[in-house]
Amino acid sequence: QKEVEQNSGPLSVPEGAIASLNCTYSDRGSQSFFWYRQYSGKSPELIMSIYSNGDKEDGRFTAQLNKASQYVSLLIRDSQPSDSATYLCAVSGAGSYQLTFGKGTKLSVIP
Amino acid sequence: GAGVSQSPRYKVAKRGQDVALRCDPISGHVSLFWYQQALGQGPEFLTYFQNEAQLDKSGLPSDRFFAERPEGSVSTLKIQRTQQEDSAVYLCASSEQGRSTDTQYFGPGTRLTVL
Repeated sequence: QKEVEQNSGPLSVPEGAIASLNCTYSDRGSQSFFWYRQYSGKSPELIMSIYSNGDKEDGRFTAQLNKASQYVSLLIRDSQPSDSATYLCAVSGAGSYQLTFGKGTKLSVIP
Repeated sequence: GAGVSQSPRYKVAKRGQDVALRCDPISGHVSLFWYQQALGQGPEFLTYFQNEAQLDKSGLPSDRFFAERPEGSVSTLKIQRTQQEDSAVYLCASSEQGRSTDTQYFGPGTRLTVL
């Protein structure tokens, strides 16, 4: 069974600091990796997608992928209180359309 | 443009009742997904449609769950004889083509509470 593991948190960081969120996955055939942000009572919203090894940057967000280690991470620079949410790591495999999600990491940015 | 919409947003059912949850995907999106999200958990895949064809229903937890998308747009998830363990948020998502690289856009969800 495909599994995606995340620390549930909560992860607390001061405003302006870097928040580091981590995710591991079990299926070596996984090809597409996504980070979704979910505010309490709201639906998941895509933050970043990454498909190849290395780093991908978009504004304050950087996704990092290491397929050999089956590890994907999300860095949030200059964290803001508005970043406080649950961050879901999601993975899909070759030719596979469905997403397998982790349980999410709850991030709190303290003003 | 309009995003994915779902109705009702909240549904309370007595155990044993049947419920129907509706999803309107983004216009033109070929692929439609249903996920179930229990409290404190990530979404779990239920079923997938490409146009009107249900290509994967492996995540449906029991034969009480049934989904359809007869005209390739709006989809309905039906749960018969609801049980307390069915209480969850049911999320619908759509994507342009359903490729593994496609972004899935989620609707606001329907929160189902079974008493």
